[in-house]
Amino acid sequence: KNEVEQSPQNLTAQEGEFITINCSYSVGISALHWLQQHPGGGIVSLFMLSSGKKKHGRLIATINIQEKHSSLHITASHPRDSAVYICAVRDPSNTGNQFYFGTGTSLTVIP
Amino acid sequence: ETGVTQTPRHLVMGMTNKKSLKCEQHLGHNAMYWYKQSAKKPLELMFVYSLEERVENNSVPSRFSPECPNSSHLFLHLHTLQPEDSALYLCASSQVFRGPYEQYFGPGTRLTVT
Repeated sequence: KNEVEQSPQNLTAQEGEFITINCSYSVGISALHWLQQHPGGGIVSLFMLSSGKKKHGRLIATINIQEKHSSLHITASHPRDSAVYICAVRDPSNTGNQFYFGTGTSLTVIP
Repeated sequence: ETGVTQTPRHLVMGMTNKKSLKCEQHLGHNAMYWYKQSAKKPLELMFVYSLEERVENNSVPSRFSPECPNSSHLFLHLHTLQPEDSALYLCASSQVFRGPYEQYFGPGTRLTVT
């Protein structure tokens, strides 16, 4: 079982819809990251958070440390949001491998 | 543009070839990473260098050999690879290795082993 689980694995939405991607983790963390990967491979860091909520443009990330759960929301989705969204957590107690990654959520936004 | 570049972007090699992947970061970071991304699998951390010293080697086969000549450059030397090594290889850097710092990724090298 992976230390980081994401849902859904695949998501198709109509342009303008509100989108939520979920991430659950099973380890103690110092920070959680949301990453975006476009076709072609490049990965961009969207958020790094350890508590509460962060907002950047149409993107909102929240985290509940007690429940070990984070969500990424996209408001007024647009076709350019189509990408794979990856949740990653940093476990400071694991000196052998500090980062755990989810398998990603593939989002397609249809015009 | 994240400040991390990788070359080549695409590589096709036979199982008997020797090739190298190159990564360069222009961010003044002290930690650099190699990741492997296979289809439908989470990113796998392969190697970590902090201040030019290898700090992690996650049971990676010896046919992958990293090299970090300075804090801005990272190489992954490949030899006698197997078809299952075909994947996207991503380089990343962060300000330091320890602590909740963001990682900045390069565009990746798509490797196909024939």
